[in-house]
Formats: sequence, C-alpha cells, structure tokens
Amino acid sequence: EDQVTQSPEALRLQEGESSSLNCSYTVSGLRGLFWYRQDPGKGPEFLFTLYSAGEEKEKERLKATLTKKESFLHITAPKPEDSATYLCAVLTGGGNKLTFGTGTQLKVEL
Amino acid sequence: DAGVIQSPRHEVTEMGQEVTLRCKPISGHDYLFWYRQTMMRGLELLIYFNNNVPIDDSGMPEDRFSAKMPNASFSTLKIQPSEPRDSAVYFCASSLAPQLYGYTFGSGTRLTVV
Repeated sequence: EDQVTQSPEALRLQEGESSSLNCSYTVSGLRGLFWYRQDPGKGPEFLFTLYSAGEEKEKERLKATLTKKESFLHITAPKPEDSATYLCAVLTGGGNKLTFGTGTQLKVEL
Repeated sequence: DAGVIQSPRHEVTEMGQEVTLRCKPISGHDYLFWYRQTMMRGLELLIYFNNNVPIDDSGMPEDRFSAKMPNASFSTLKIQPSEPRDSAVYFCASSLAPQLYGYTFGSGTRLTVV
C-alpha cells in the first residue's frame, strides 16, 4: 500500500527564517509527486509536480526537490502570507489517484 | 473559468437524514474526484470518474455512500442515512490529465451531522 508521511506536523517560523518541509514516501511505481498549499476554509491549491529523482522546481520563495525516497519543500525568507498547510501527494501505478500525506501546518510570524 | 464549484458550502443535518453534496467540474476536464478531509485521517479519496464512468470506488466507506455523474458537468455524493462520524469536509476535484496537471479542487462542503 502506498504511504506518504510528512514532517513536521507543524512549524512556526519568524519572517525571513528559512526552513524545509519533508515528505517521505513508500510507493510502487511513482508517476509523480505533487505539492499543494491549503489555506483555511479552502481547497488545496496546486504548487508543483516532480517526476524523477534529482528534479527541482521553484516558485517565488518555494523550491521543491525530489529523491528516490523523499521530497523537500524549501522555503526561503518566508513571509506571513506563506502561512498555510502544505500537502504532499503521490500518483502511482496505472491509475490516476493521488494519495496525500497529512500535511505540515506552517505559520510565519512577524 | 469559475473553477470547480461545490454546493452547499456548509450543511448541518440530523443523524439519519439524507445528505446530497453537489459538484460542477471545470469544463473539459474528463476526471472527477471526491475526497473527504478530517483532522485524524487527512484527505482520503472516496471515488473517481473518468468520462462520467465510475472507475474506482474502493474508498467509499460503506453502502450508505453513493455517487453519480449523470453528465460531464455535474456530480453528486449522497449519504443516506447520515451518521455523526460522517462529519468532515468533502472536496470535489477535477482534472484534464492528472499526471500532467494534478487536480483542481473546489472549496469544499463542510458537513456536520448532529
């Protein structure tokens, strides 16, 4: 059974304090690893897709990386508006189902 | 495009009542997914459709849950009878090509069964 584990569960940062979120996975046949951002009261919003080990993608203060067993979401000089829950998900096998981790709740304070 | 539209946004019902959640996917998206989100279990896939046909319903918790997609622009998730443990946020999502674009989620329906 595919498993996705995210850590930490919650993270509190000061504005400008860079850090990384971790997503480790145990799957058969990874077809893609996805990062989403979820704000309170809203649905998850797509950020990145990574397909193979060594791949990296960037968007503003966020950079996602992928290895054969885990992915990291690096947040550089975060701002309060980066506060949200960040979800990792994997697409595996021959289907089209995304299996999600339980997320990291990030709070960035002034 | 208005995105994925779900209704109602909030639903409070009494145990034993029937509940129907509605979803309008993004036009042109061939895939539609229903997820449930709780604090304890996170996001869980209930069922998904491709071209209006149910492909995988292995996540549907039990016979009290049913989902339909009568046409490309509308889907329902029905719970009958509802129970307090069904309280959760239910999300609908659609996709043109999941591997390439992932999913686009709606804003969800917060269901409370009392």
